Amino acid sequence: GAVVSQHPSWVICKSGTSVKIECRSLDFQATTMFWYRQFPKQSLMLMATSNEGSKATYEQGVEKDKFLINHASLTLSTLTVTSAHPEDSSFYICSARFSGKADTQYFGPGTRLTVL
Amino acid sequence: GENVEQHPSTLSVQEGDSAVIKCTYSDSASNYFPWYKQELGKRPQLIIDIRSNVGEKKDQRIAVTLNKTAKHFSLHITETQPEDSAVYFCAATPGGGFKTIFGAGTRLFVKA
Repeated sequence: GAVVSQHPSWVICKSGTSVKIECRSLDFQATTMFWYRQFPKQSLMLMATSNEGSKATYEQGVEKDKFLINHASLTLSTLTVTSAHPEDSSFYICSARFSGKADTQYFGPGTRLTVL
Repeated sequence: GENVEQHPSTLSVQEGDSAVIKCTYSDSASNYFPWYKQELGKRPQLIIDIRSNVGEKKDQRIAVTLNKTAKHFSLHITETQPEDSAVYFCAATPGGGFKTIFGAGTRLFVKA
C-alpha cells in the first residue's frame, strides 16, 4: 500500500517551454503532497506543500509564478515549471502523506527534467 | 525553524561490518524521525522511523536510537551487505508541523 506515481519519469524540453509533472497517490487519499527538488549528490530541498483545494505554501526562495502547483483532488497534484531554463534542470520528486499515518511521507519515483 | 545535520557525508565499510550514521536536530519540538534510503536515480524509501516517546527501535539488521536530551539520533546497520550501498537521509518533523526537514545525506559504500 501507499504507492505514489509520478509522470513523466523524464522529460527533455527546449528553453522557454513549460513542463507539467503529475503526482498521484494510487491507493490512498493524500491529505498533503510535497514537491522536492534534488540536485546531483545533494539532499532533498522542499519547494512547496500543497493541500487539496487550497493554495500551495511555497518555501522561501521558490518562485510561485515559476513553479505552479495545483492540487485538484485528494489523489493528484501537479507541478508546472513555466518558461523553463537550463538552470531548472533537476530531479523533481513528489511525496504524499495520508491521515492514517500522518507523519510518514511516501515518495514518487521522481521526474528528471533536462532543459536544453 | 528546524535544522538537521548529518554525518558523515561518506562512509565506506567492509561487507559484514557495521555502519553508523549520526544526525542532530535543533527543534526540541520535533517528534518524528524517519530514515530514508535512496539508490541512484530512484525514490527515497522509508527504512525505519522513530517517535520521540521511544528511545530505540530495531528492525532486523537496522536500528535507530534517539537521545531527546542531546537532540541527536543515529542509524545503525549491522552485518552490512553490498546491497546496502546507497544514500541514506535522516529527517525530522517538528511537532504539529507539516514539513519534514532532511539531512544532507550519507553515501554508504559496502565493499565486498
